[in-house]
Amino acid sequence: QQQVKQSPQSLIVQKGGISIINCAYENTAFDYFPWYQQFPGKGPALLIAIRPDVSEKKEGRFTISFNKSAKQFSLHIMDSQPGDSATYFCAASQRLGGGADGLTFGKGTHLIIQP
Amino acid sequence: DARVTQTPRHKVTEMGQEVTMRCQPILGHNTVFWYRQTMMQGLELLAYFRNRAPLDDSGMPKDRFSAEMPDATLATLKIQPSEPRDSAVYFCASAKGREANYGYTFGSGTRLTVV
Repeated sequence: QQQVKQSPQSLIVQKGGISIINCAYENTAFDYFPWYQQFPGKGPALLIAIRPDVSEKKEGRFTISFNKSAKQFSLHIMDSQPGDSATYFCAASQRLGGGADGLTFGKGTHLIIQP
Repeated sequence: DARVTQTPRHKVTEMGQEVTMRCQPILGHNTVFWYRQTMMQGLELLAYFRNRAPLDDSGMPKDRFSAEMPDATLATLKIQPSEPRDSAVYFCASAKGREANYGYTFGSGTRLTVV
């Protein structure tokens, strides 16, 4: 069972446009929702994250919108640039045994920003 | 910048051979995770350690995979015997504490090809 569903699988946006990636989750035990960005040949890197008691978080051109009742959250990239071309993963975190957090990732969105 | 170091970056091996992947977490990070990335399954959690103690390895095929952390500067993931279906990119990630507070730092991964 896929616990975090991400769409679309791939996305092409013109430079300067808005990129929107959506995710939905089932498990109400999730208590933290990060987005990771991955470039080819590199590991994922934390981009921005939100807690479920907040409906929106903005950092520069990146915004997370969170709808707790619908169990959905999305990433918006404003004024998209070619350098934003990467694979984006949404994730959901829950406490594991021993006090660590486990991340459940979506399948990823391959984003291409066309010049 | 502090980073997680993984070796080797690439490994091609024949089916049935033993494979060992190594990870040096960031100094001071007390939680280490192993993830596997494939096109079909995305990022899957294999195992994690907190303060060098293995807390959960339920994501690993027990009969062939093993994960250890012999000291605070080294985590290993071993596959014996390897099979073609093990071909994937294996990531190590470390964290200072709860992901919700600090975020994971991923290494650049080991790309494993089993022929």
